[in-house]
Amino acid sequence: QKEVEQNSGPLSVPEGAIASLNCTYSDRGSQSFFWYRQYSGKSPELIMFIYSNGDKEDGRFTAQLNKASQYVSLLIRDSQPSDSATYLCAVTSGYSTLTFGKGTMLLVSP
Amino acid sequence: DVKVTQSSRYLVKRTGEKVFLECVQDMDHENMFWYRQDPGLGLRLIYFSYDVKMKEKGDIPEGYSVSREKKERFSLILESASTNQTSMYLCASSFRTTSGNTIYFGEGSWLTVV
Repeated sequence: QKEVEQNSGPLSVPEGAIASLNCTYSDRGSQSFFWYRQYSGKSPELIMFIYSNGDKEDGRFTAQLNKASQYVSLLIRDSQPSDSATYLCAVTSGYSTLTFGKGTMLLVSP
Repeated sequence: DVKVTQSSRYLVKRTGEKVFLECVQDMDHENMFWYRQDPGLGLRLIYFSYDVKMKEKGDIPEGYSVSREKKERFSLILESASTNQTSMYLCASSFRTTSGNTIYFGEGSWLTVV
């Protein structure tokens, strides 16, 4: 069974700090990796995806992928209170459906 | 922008009632999905469809059925609602490619079964 593991948190960081969210996955055949943000009571929204080893940056967000270690992370620079949400990691391979982690709750304090 | 629309946002149904949850997407996506999300359990896939009239069971299909008569529409059916089906239901859609299927979610349907 494919598994995606995330620390449930909450991860608490002060405003302006870097938040680091981590995710591990069990399926070595995984090819595509996604980060979603979900505010309380809302549906998940895509932040970014990454396919290749290394870093991918988009504004204040950086996704990092290490396929050898089966590890993907999301860094949020200059964290803002509006970043407080649950962050879901999702993984897929080829045509298969996405497998989601249970999410990490991030709390950014002013 | 991708638009996935779930017409019923908040529903209260009685045990034993038949419940329909409708979802429409406007991006010509091949894939459509139904998830439920519960505290502590995360997102769980109920059913998905990769083409009209096609359906595949997800992780928790028991007590549910689906219908996909048109490409843009995917319906979730609870034949006889039970209290343990009280949950938030999320519809999603994506293209069907080998390079990773970014899925887009609707706003969710909150179902309470009493």
